[in-house]
Amino acid sequence: DTEVTQTPKHLVMGMTNKKSLKCEQHMGHRAMYWYKQKAKKPPELMFVYSYEKLSINESVPSRFSPECPNSSLLNLHLHALQPEDSALYLCASSQETSGSSVRIEQYFGPGTRLTVT
Amino acid sequence: AQKITQTQPGMFVQEKEAVTLDCTYDTSDPSYGLFWYKQPSSGEMIFLIYQGSYDQQNATEGRYSLNFQKARKSANLVISASQLGDSAMYFCAMREVNRDDKIIFGKGTRLHILP
Repeated sequence: DTEVTQTPKHLVMGMTNKKSLKCEQHMGHRAMYWYKQKAKKPPELMFVYSYEKLSINESVPSRFSPECPNSSLLNLHLHALQPEDSALYLCASSQETSGSSVRIEQYFGPGTRLTVT
Repeated sequence: AQKITQTQPGMFVQEKEAVTLDCTYDTSDPSYGLFWYKQPSSGEMIFLIYQGSYDQQNATEGRYSLNFQKARKSANLVISASQLGDSAMYFCAMREVNRDDKIIFGKGTRLHILP
């Protein structure tokens, strides 16, 4: 089962709100990723977790706060967002992250469409 | 400089015809992997096919095949017998062994299958 689930599917929030995006996978993958995708653009990597530890932060503003409570779950906490943060947020997972192997397919969830008003 | 180049922003193809989506890449790493993903309008990125730099044969997965020309640094996706459900955005991507865990995506090609 190559399924990554994300909730909610759609989210509208004001600039003063606090909300969280959730991602879950049950494939035993040890690496999880957050991407941001604007319309008609490729996904942009935000964060990578490897074995529940943050391994990559692509200089993402602190109003985005990732959390990996366990190997199956990944959250993205949102606070004081700006309208330009409106986008599709994609979660992905892969078996592992490894410097020696390039064949590491990432499996993506359906995404959360976020609108900041 | 772009690492992944997809020169076709949009394509229109008649149903049941074969489609070739172009992808060229740039790397100095001897070990790398190339991926193709499909993204329907629903948003989910669907993994289609993988080609490793040391693979001797072109990858195939059902109706998808990858025309890998290493010397030209191209990894074109071929879809045989296209179907209406193939209408989507297609991204070519690359992972280099010495570049952490990042996948670099091209800008994508929007494929429209016409009935």
